Amino acid sequence: GENVEQHPSTLSVQEGDSAVIKCTYSDSASNYFPWYKQELGKRPQLIIDIRSNVGEKKDQRIAVTLNKTAKHFSLHITETQPEDSAVYFCAASMNSGYALNFGKGTSLLVTP
Amino acid sequence: NAGVTQTPKFQVLKTGQSMTLQCAQDMNHNSMYWYRQDPGMGLRLIYYSASEGTTDKGEVPNGYNVSRLNKREFSLRLESAAPSQTSVYFCASSEIIGRRTDTQYFGPGTRLTVL
Repeated sequence: GENVEQHPSTLSVQEGDSAVIKCTYSDSASNYFPWYKQELGKRPQLIIDIRSNVGEKKDQRIAVTLNKTAKHFSLHITETQPEDSAVYFCAASMNSGYALNFGKGTSLLVTP
Repeated sequence: NAGVTQTPKFQVLKTGQSMTLQCAQDMNHNSMYWYRQDPGMGLRLIYYSASEGTTDKGEVPNGYNVSRLNKREFSLRLESAAPSQTSVYFCASSEIIGRRTDTQYFGPGTRLTVL
């Protein structure tokens, strides 16, 4: 299938710092880019998403940017808190329009 | 409103045994999905059903079959389990508007071990 590359695989920041996770995709037909947060032993839950007709979207401390030309999108978390510690997954819609390709995840640790 | 539910939560099988993982959603979504999650591999799509009556293969369909029983239910069957199928299985559902997918909502997962 089409690939979604996600970096870094692990990220450790101090409380209050910013965290940035980056993803690239290969399918030029992708038009929907969600980000999911998964806490240990729990299900993935959507935290923010962006569509291809928008370059940036913000929700409180979380923002996502999309560069369609370069085929990459990023998650930005500002003023990180210990409860932000989790695994974060990016995804891109497949050209079928229905399903998602997921990145391999970034394990974020926020230390007090 | 339970969202997406899955049964069972845990299962241990012996190699060669068969089983069916059940998934149901009460959000009236058209599309449903089965993923497996392995350490360091993210979520990989096994099969999906864009609408009632249709199913399509995802990235890793070998060794699995699915049935979209009705709009609410989408089951995943392992006919002859292998140790390589040890994984956490997630079901998800979403609304589709035209050919545009919306948020996927995940079930709590089934942790399957094949000995």
